[in-house]
Amino acid sequence: AQSVTQLGSHVSVSEGALVLLRCNYSSSVPPYLFWYVQYPNQGLQLLLKYTTGATLVKGINGFEAEFKKSETSFHLTKPSAHMSDAAEYFCAVSPNAGNNRKLIWGLGTSLAVNP
Amino acid sequence: SQTIHQWPATLVQPVGSPLSLECTVEGTSNPNLYWYRQAAGRGLQLLFYSVGIGQISSEVPQNLSASRPQDRQFILSSKKLLLSDSGFYLCAWMRGRARAGANVLTFGAGSRLTVL
Repeated sequence: AQSVTQLGSHVSVSEGALVLLRCNYSSSVPPYLFWYVQYPNQGLQLLLKYTTGATLVKGINGFEAEFKKSETSFHLTKPSAHMSDAAEYFCAVSPNAGNNRKLIWGLGTSLAVNP
Repeated sequence: SQTIHQWPATLVQPVGSPLSLECTVEGTSNPNLYWYRQAAGRGLQLLFYSVGIGQISSEVPQNLSASRPQDRQFILSSKKLLLSDSGFYLCAWMRGRARAGANVLTFGAGSRLTVL
């Protein structure tokens, strides 16, 4: 069975500081991996995804994530936080086969950015 | 381009009243459709998903139900709401065929339900 663990339900950084949101997964088959962002009272928006190929994936808003198979991790980073990055971030995994690709979700990490 | 519409955006209902949340997708065909619920501090809970008209899979036992009367329409219902049904409900779609992009979920804006 697949599972996703996001370490730290709340992360606080200063504006301009590095953002690091951690995600570890377990999967018995090669996974697809995703990061989504949710702003208050809105739906989720895809930040980036890893399917195959290059393990360093670049997404929107300056975020990137690196798939590390040996560590079963897919941590999300951004070199310099902006106030507008304050939101809830969700990591998710799905199998890379089958018609119905249900996503398995982490519980989310709330990112606060301090001025 | 594809768009997803979800309504109503907010809803306040008394305990025991019925519920109907609607979701439609435009610009695609044969999508997989999903209903999620998001309760405070509990992440995303998959309630129902559908791979085709009339095909509904339930993930958790509850007093909610879902229907898919048309290819791009997904409805979440309840005959009698409970206090515990309060939450933020999200509809989402995914390409139903095994091709590039077939694994990306696109979400609606959500429906905030408060049961009093």
